Amino acid sequence: DTGVSQDPRHKITKRGQNVTFRCDPISEHNRLYWYRQTLGQGPEFLTYFQNEAQLEKSRLLSDRFSAERPKGSFSTLEIQRTEQGDSAMYLCASSSPLGQGGDTQYFGPGTRLTVL
Amino acid sequence: AQSVTQLGSHVSVSEGALVLLRCNYSSSVPPYLFWYVQYPNQGLQLLLKYTSAATLVKGINGFEAEFKKSETSFHLTKPSAHMSDAAEYFCAVISSASKIIFGSGTRLSIRP
Repeated sequence: DTGVSQDPRHKITKRGQNVTFRCDPISEHNRLYWYRQTLGQGPEFLTYFQNEAQLEKSRLLSDRFSAERPKGSFSTLEIQRTEQGDSAMYLCASSSPLGQGGDTQYFGPGTRLTVL
Repeated sequence: AQSVTQLGSHVSVSEGALVLLRCNYSSSVPPYLFWYVQYPNQGLQLLLKYTSAATLVKGINGFEAEFKKSETSFHLTKPSAHMSDAAEYFCAVISSASKIIFGSGTRLSIRP
C-alpha cells in the first residue's frame, strides 16, 4: 500500500491554457474521487468513478472540465481554457469496494493549480 | 440531504490544554461521520470515523469524538494539546451517493 499519489504537485499556468492532472489510487481500490478545495474552505466533491465508469458529476464540473479513468486504475482530470477562478487545490481520493471499509476515502497530497 | 456545520473557524489553545472542536450534522439517515486533519500544503489524513458501531470513537494521535444523536453532534476532543496538533481540521459526513461532504474547517493553533 503506497497510498494515493498525484502528479504534478504544483502547476502554474496562464489563463486560457489547458492543464491535466493525474491521480494513481491505492492499487486494490475500485472507487476514485476528485475534489476541489479553495483557500479557507473545505473540499468540494467534483466527480467519482467506480472502476472505469463515471457515476456522478457535480454541477461544479463545468463543460471545461473532463475526467477519465480509462482502465479503472489511474485517473486524469483535464481543465480546458483555464480561468483564474480555477485556481485551487485538486484532491484525489480512493476507497475499497463497499463492504470492505468502502466508506473510508484515502486522500492524495493534492495538485495545487495557480492560474495567472 | 446531509450536511455538517463546524462551529468556530479558528480555535487557539495552550499546549497541554484540552482541545475541543465542534461539529454538528444534519442527516435524514444514520450518518457515517469523519474527522480529517490537513497540514499546510498537504492532503487530508483520516483521524477517526463513526460508523454506528460505538458512540465514542478513538482515533490517531490521541484524538477522540463522541456521536450524540440527541444533539446531532460529533465533537472532536484531545485531553492535552501538543504543538504538532496545529493544523486544519475538517468534520465530514458521507452522503448516500458515497461522496464526502465537508465542513468549512477549523484551524487549530497551539500557544506555547
